[in-house]
Amino acid sequence: QVQLVQSGAEVKKPGSSVKVSCKASGGTLSNYAINWLRQAPGQGLEWIGRIIPTVDATDYAQKFQLRVSITADESARTAYMELSSLRSEDTAVYYCAGDLRFLEWPVNWFDPWGQGTLVTVSS
Amino acid sequence: DIVMTQSPDSLAVSLGERASINCKSSQSVLYSSNNKNYLAWYQQKPGQPPKLLIYWASTRESGVPDRFSGGGSGTDFTLTISNLQAEDVAVYYCQQYYISPPTFGPGTKVDIK
Repeated sequence: QVQLVQSGAEVKKPGSSVKVSCKASGGTLSNYAINWLRQAPGQGLEWIGRIIPTVDATDYAQKFQLRVSITADESARTAYMELSSLRSEDTAVYYCAGDLRFLEWPVNWFDPWGQGTLVTVSS
Repeated sequence: DIVMTQSPDSLAVSLGERASINCKSSQSVLYSSNNKNYLAWYQQKPGQPPKLLIYWASTRESGVPDRFSGGGSGTDFTLTISNLQAEDVAVYYCQQYYISPPTFGPGTKVDIK
């Protein structure tokens, strides 16, 4: 099964943007919808959105609709999540996660997961 | 959005004993056309991403020990860990995938008594 490898930790100022990458190792992105989720310190899991790389179709949670952009470069086997207008409440570990069943149902369980990328927003 | 709740928030169980975690959805996640419950369970250990344990409410992911079992239907679900092992110390989350956006319960922390 493919492994998802994410970019390293980031420290950002309030109001700035962050772009996190997620590379498929040992396989292709084409078989998956790539989802992005986040987990604030000591908190639960929150879905941000997803992309189907083969058709570049995206779907975002309403909460993030105006601030997030999810893209993919199939040739590079990499998906990206960019979050803008950062605030302190965006401090979290951001995960990418694959969904193999995206052709059968709009959302599914998530497997595999990337290792996570800590984004810290601080002045 | 479908709201997921879990109980208890945490529990401590002796090694070899059974741990049960409850998960409730604000609306049914049972799809009548195929009689499947769109509910998954994950295990998360500190510093690690979540690991898929169960999907369709009761189907174990490949490689997951059979001491993990899932049950329930509609709006009420249970994850049971039989014969608790030290390596099962973790936070457990349920997730519904019936309706977008997918949503998670707040988690249940399992410790050794």
